[in-house]
Amino acid sequence: ETGVTQTPRHLVMGMTNKKSLKCEQHLGHNAMYWYKQSAKKPLELMFVYNFKEQTENNSVPSRFSPECPNSSHLFLHLHTLQPEDSALYLCASSQGLDTGELFFGEGSRLTVL
Amino acid sequence: GQNIDQPTEMTATEGAIVQINCTYQTSGFNGLFWYQQHAGEAPTFLSYNVLDGLEEKGRFSSFLSRSKGYSYLLLKELQMKDSASYLCAVKDSNYQLIWGAGTKLIIKP
Repeated sequence: ETGVTQTPRHLVMGMTNKKSLKCEQHLGHNAMYWYKQSAKKPLELMFVYNFKEQTENNSVPSRFSPECPNSSHLFLHLHTLQPEDSALYLCASSQGLDTGELFFGEGSRLTVL
Repeated sequence: GQNIDQPTEMTATEGAIVQINCTYQTSGFNGLFWYQQHAGEAPTFLSYNVLDGLEEKGRFSSFLSRSKGYSYLLLKELQMKDSASYLCAVKDSNYQLIWGAGTKLIIKP
């Protein structure tokens, strides 16, 4: 079982759909992150949770809604997305906010039609 | 603003040595990281430098000069499996990770 697991790996949705991405970490970490990865661009930090509390929201549009029910699970709820939201969404975890090494999941490839 | 620069793409030959450079301008510095990402896979941690100098780990080494805002990742005895993107990231004064766009390394036989 890998340290950080993301589902689904691939998702195609229309602009009016509602879907969710799921992330689970089995490493006992306290901090979890959502990143957006677009081709030839730096990783964009979207949300940060530490001990289930959101500590960072990098001006992300409200059509992306995170949820962290416990330190092991993180969701990203998606609704009324735009085609430019098509990207790879990566979940990561770390021991703490100041502990640098991130462990990433393999990502959810999202295509918005 | 904060900025990380690294080459977009590099090509090298199997068995050779390649150096991937990274320059940064950030608000403060709390360490520099290198990650490897194979196509369609998760980024994986390679190295961490917080003090000046060279850190060696097998075939991979990472160098840091804080005064120059510069790092490089050195890969020796290149293998085909080293074909991947290499991401440079700096932790700033707020412990936020600032990422480069990544360097795609192509290894040819």
